Amino acid sequence: AQRVTQPEKLLSVFKGAPVELKCNYSYSGSPELFWYVQYSRQRLQLLLRHISRESIKGFTADLNKGETSFHLKKPFAQEEDSAMYYCALAALGSGGSYIPTFGRGTSLIVHP
Amino acid sequence: SAVISQKPSRDICQRGTSLTIQCQVDSQVTMMFWYRQQPGQSLTLIATANQGSEATYESGFVIDKFPISRPNLTFSTLTVSNMSPEDSSIYLCSVEDRSRNYGYTFGSGTRLTVV
Repeated sequence: AQRVTQPEKLLSVFKGAPVELKCNYSYSGSPELFWYVQYSRQRLQLLLRHISRESIKGFTADLNKGETSFHLKKPFAQEEDSAMYYCALAALGSGGSYIPTFGRGTSLIVHP
Repeated sequence: SAVISQKPSRDICQRGTSLTIQCQVDSQVTMMFWYRQQPGQSLTLIATANQGSEATYESGFVIDKFPISRPNLTFSTLTVSNMSPEDSSIYLCSVEDRSRNYGYTFGSGTRLTVV
């Protein structure tokens, strides 16, 4: 069965510092990986997906199949980045459909 | 991307009663997912609902407790039955956004408190 691990429950940094939110996965197939963000009092929303290799709000994430990781990075954190971040993996389920599995989330706090 | 309207946004219910949560999507989608998110915890998948077939439940969740309806490609309901305080949680519905490569869109959630 697939598994997503986010080892840090909380990450606290100062504005302007680099940020790396860790995500490791376990899946025997070809993974579809995502990062989701939930700002205070807002719904969960997609931040970025590995397949597009995009940069959103200064965040990037590279899929490392050798290390089975998909860490989220930003060189200079901003206060508005404070939020809950979830790593997610879409894996093929027994019914032939892709089912998303989420990590436990990392709360990022950026201090002024 | 798809837009999901979920209601109610919150409710306080007496133990032993049931609550039905509705999700309406502005476009036709094949699969809908129902999650539970307990305070400080991650999202736990309850079941996957396809239109016209029985929902598929994850380990630890049963149809008698969480019956799901999926009458068409834009609508689904989740009922939390015979509630106890342990059912207090946020319940979320989600749909695949165009395809799995594009990720998933979520409703705003239903915050349920059972007293």
